[in-house]
Amino acid sequence: KAGVTQTPRYLIKTRGQQVTLSCSPISGHRSVSWYQQTPGQGLQFLFEYFSETQRNKGNFPGRFSGRQFSNSRSEMNVSTLELGDSALYLCASSWFRGGTDTQYFGPGTRLTVL
Amino acid sequence: QKEVEQNSGPLSVPEGAIASLNCTYSDRGSQSFFWYRQYSGKSPELIMFIYSNGDKEDGRFTAQLNKASQYVSLLIRDSQPSDSATYLCAVNFGGSSGDKLTFGTGTRLAVRP
Repeated sequence: KAGVTQTPRYLIKTRGQQVTLSCSPISGHRSVSWYQQTPGQGLQFLFEYFSETQRNKGNFPGRFSGRQFSNSRSEMNVSTLELGDSALYLCASSWFRGGTDTQYFGPGTRLTVL
Repeated sequence: QKEVEQNSGPLSVPEGAIASLNCTYSDRGSQSFFWYRQYSGKSPELIMFIYSNGDKEDGRFTAQLNKASQYVSLLIRDSQPSDSATYLCAVNFGGSSGDKLTFGTGTRLAVRP
């Protein structure tokens, strides 16, 4: 069974731009969670989607948004990029409940904001 | 703000020794607990999960949960250099926090050959 895939793997953007990251979960998994990982803050929960609906949300500003499609693929968008948005963005898929079921992480998208 | 605390390390142990990794969390009502391993430059991978008080063993790994004292630990027996990684503790606080995982910042383990 194929794992979680994320595209692109690397991105370089400048302040003020926007970016869209994509995540394809493991086949059959319906929950997709997004995390931001930085050396100082560790893994921070952004949001979780299930059946095309945002089910949980972390403490990030509204510049961070996401969506999920009917095939469970998910995208996250960051608008008006700031230098502090430079991070590894990880998505994780699970069968049903992101907080209870085992989460399988994708390889991540490394975003650098200049 | 519900929190998960881990000592950042590094925790250095000789090959063949037992490595003990600890994690404390702020809410006694927490529901489920996970240990992830993350190699440098890689994404986290699940090692174990535990829901009930007591010990849970899987090969060289043992997770221990004490809800009354609000800590969860991971023991790695017969540590190998390949175990050198950052170990992340994650907690599902549930309730008003929602059904999501809150991660600690991780403990870096170094196993000396």
